[in-house]
Parts: sequence; structure tokens; C-alpha cells
Amino acid sequence: AQSVTQLGSHVSVSEGALVLLRCNYSSSVPPYLFWYVQYPNQGLQLLLKYTSAATLVKGINGFEAEFKKSETSFHLTKPSAHMSDAAEYFCAVSERDNTDKLIFGTGTRLQVFP
Amino acid sequence: ETGVTQTPRHLVMGMTNKKSLKCEQHLGHNAMYWYKQSAKKPLELMFVYNFKEQTENNSVPSRFSPECPNSSHLFLHLHTLQPEDSALYLCASSGGQGYTGELFFGEGSRLTVL
Repeated sequence: AQSVTQLGSHVSVSEGALVLLRCNYSSSVPPYLFWYVQYPNQGLQLLLKYTSAATLVKGINGFEAEFKKSETSFHLTKPSAHMSDAAEYFCAVSERDNTDKLIFGTGTRLQVFP
Repeated sequence: ETGVTQTPRHLVMGMTNKKSLKCEQHLGHNAMYWYKQSAKKPLELMFVYNFKEQTENNSVPSRFSPECPNSSHLFLHLHTLQPEDSALYLCASSGGQGYTGELFFGEGSRLTVL
């Protein structure tokens, strides 16, 4: 069975600092991996996805994530945080032969301080 | 038109009321989903419809009744709900050419049960 673990339910950074949100996955088959962002009172918006091409994936708003099979990780990073990055971030995994089911992590709330 | 539209955005109902949530997608997708998002809990998949047929019912109580008349519309009929059913209900869609598993979400319907 697939699963996703997001380490740290809350992360706080200063504006301009590096953002690192951690995600580890478990899957018996090669996975598709996703990061979503949710701003207050809104739905989830896709930030980026890994589907088997380059292991370093670039997304919107300056975010990127690297797929590391040996570590079963898909951590999300951004070199310099902006106040507008404050939101909740969800990592998700699906199986290549069962893409109907997207399994989400519990989310990480990012706070950005001036 | 935005990709996935949910109405109403906010709903307050008593435990004896009957109401419905509506979702419409304009993306030409084949599959539609209902998720429940409660505070401090992971996103819970409730129902999946693929080409109008229900393919997933994640042990959801019968007081929640989904309806999918076509691939573009999805309803969630609500009756005799409990206060613990208060949550953000998210609709999503997926599928289409080159599909690789990502979901497209609406902005959600915030339900409060008194």
C-alpha cells in the first residue's frame, strides 16, 4: 500500500530564507509524486509533479523538488521565502497503474516571518 | 470559467436539514472526486466516479449520498448530518489525454452542521 509522510506539521522561516519541506513516500511500484499548496479558504493547487522524467522538478512560484529513489524522498525547496508563500503544503503519491487514487500526506503549514 | 467550480462556498445546516453540494468541471476530465478536509486530519477520499460510474466509496456513512449524472457534474446530497461532519468538502477532477495522476481541485464548500 502507498503512503506519504510529511515530517513537521509546522515550519517557520524568515523572509528570504531557504524553504525545505520534507516528504517521504512508500510505494511498491514506481510512483507519481506531487506537491500541492492550499491558501486559506481555497482548494488545493498543483505546485509540481514527478512522473519519471528528470528527477529535479521545477514548479510554480520558484519551488522545486527532487525525487530520490534511494531515500524514498521528494522534498520541496525554495531558495528564498516570500511572505506570499505562507500556506499549507501537501505531498501526494499515486501508483502508475492506479492513477485514480491519490494519497495525501497530513500537510505542512509554512509560516514566513518578516 | 474556472476549471472546477463548487457551490455553495459556505453552507450552514441543522441536523435535520437536507441540502446538496454541487461541483462542475470544465476541463473535459473523465473522473470526479469528493474529499473531506477536517481540521488536523489528513484529506479523506470519500467517493470516486469514473465515466459516471462510482469506482470508490471509502466507507462513507449513508447520510452522504453522491450523484454523478454526467462526467462534468457531481453532487453530494446531505441529510441528517452530525456536527462532526462539519468540514471543508473538496471536489476534484482528473483524466484526459496524457493523464499522469494529478487532480484539479475546486475551492471547496465549507459546511457547518449545527
